[in-house]
Amino acid sequence: EPEVTQTPSHQVTQMGQEVILRCVPISNHLYFYWYRQILGQKVEFLVSFYNNEISEKSEIFDDQFSVERPDGSNFTLKIRSTKLEDSAMYFCASRGQGLSTGELFFGEGSRLTVL
Amino acid sequence: AQSVSQHNHHVILSEAASLELGCNYSYGGTVNLFWYVQYPGQHLQLLLKYFSGDPLVKGIKGFEAEFIKSKFSFNLRKPSVQWSDTAEYFCAVNAVPRGSQGNLIFGKGTKLSVKP
Repeated sequence: EPEVTQTPSHQVTQMGQEVILRCVPISNHLYFYWYRQILGQKVEFLVSFYNNEISEKSEIFDDQFSVERPDGSNFTLKIRSTKLEDSAMYFCASRGQGLSTGELFFGEGSRLTVL
Repeated sequence: AQSVSQHNHHVILSEAASLELGCNYSYGGTVNLFWYVQYPGQHLQLLLKYFSGDPLVKGIKGFEAEFIKSKFSFNLRKPSVQWSDTAEYFCAVNAVPRGSQGNLIFGKGTKLSVKP
């Protein structure tokens, strides 16, 4: 069964460092998402991406964040200068065509720890 | 703004007990509704979904949910839980106004602990 894969599974970084989280969505999917889950809190939407551009982003997704689809398979989330409060589990998700389907397929997450 | 409320933060049950987890959403338009489950150390997995039609939907592992439009609710149920159902359960809403990319809005989650 096709799945969304994410790397790394866990990254520890120092405050102020840049971090890139990588995702390989399901191959025929067209919509891509990043969500995050701070420990003990709900899953929060960060950004959605379609047709090589951001289609929607939340208040959390400020200038420190960026997303890119550098090739036909990867979808990356970059945090330019990490802060302590960026520590969270980051989930990538993808979705197929058609707004009516709506089902997102999630990766296993990348745990980011900022020290 | 759209929001999803899950009223129970942590539910503790014994095996074979019945389960009902509450979920309410706030949005007046067309919605798709989902329950996702997150087993310890694993990723979010879809339990069931409602798009249209029969408001009682059946999902995997014996779970079901009922969409009550008048109450803006989509409660999750299972008649008899097992220890393996121990997980965190998230209700999510996909509100689809024109032009939306259909982002999911999640509730805060309900942690279910089933005692053997």
